[in-house]
Amino acid sequence: AQTVTQSQPEMSVQEAETVTLSCTYDTSENNYYLFWYKQPPSRQMILVIRQEAYKQQNATENRFSVNFQKAAKSFSLKISDSQLGDTAMYFCAFTSRNTGNQFYFGTGTSLTVIP
Amino acid sequence: NAGVMQNPRHLVRRRGQEARLRCSPMKGHSHVYWYRQLPEEGLKFMVYLQKENIIDESGMPKERFSAEFPKEGPSILRIQQVVRGDSAAYFCASSPTSTSMFTPNTGELFFGEGSRLTVL
Repeated sequence: AQTVTQSQPEMSVQEAETVTLSCTYDTSENNYYLFWYKQPPSRQMILVIRQEAYKQQNATENRFSVNFQKAAKSFSLKISDSQLGDTAMYFCAFTSRNTGNQFYFGTGTSLTVIP
Repeated sequence: NAGVMQNPRHLVRRRGQEARLRCSPMKGHSHVYWYRQLPEEGLKFMVYLQKENIIDESGMPKERFSAEFPKEGPSILRIQQVVRGDSAAYFCASSPTSTSMFTPNTGELFFGEGSRLTVL
């Protein structure tokens, strides 16, 4: 069974600083996708970044980057130059072809950016 | 290009009543997923549907819950005889294709804004 673990229920960061959110997962699959989704107070889930497991290069999207450690089954999200609009719940998620198209989500990390 | 549309945004029901939640996927998307989010928890998979077919309902409670995605119209998640424990946010997501590893632009779910069900 696939599991996704986010061990940081809450985090805070000063505006313009950098913060890293942790995520670990457990799977026996070799090919899979990992995601970070953002859920602001408006509640709509928004894709932040995606990583294909077969790619060694860490994904980057502007101020967002990941540190993907496949052997350690770790997938952390780094937010640089934090902005007030980054305040949200962040969910790590996993899917693979062999999971029957299910996405497995972690329990989330609530990030607060402090002005 | 409208995103995933869910309605109602908020629904209040008394115990024993029925709740119907609707989801219109993004244009061109034929795959719909329903997730439930309980307070202070992550999203839990409920069901995955394609047009007129339930592909995976392994996350659906065995009783009182059902889902459909007809050939015409939105996907509907139906909860019969609601209980207080059904109070949650229900999210619908769609994707253009199966989340196969071998198609381009795979793996992304597009979420609606959710429907919050409150059972009194």
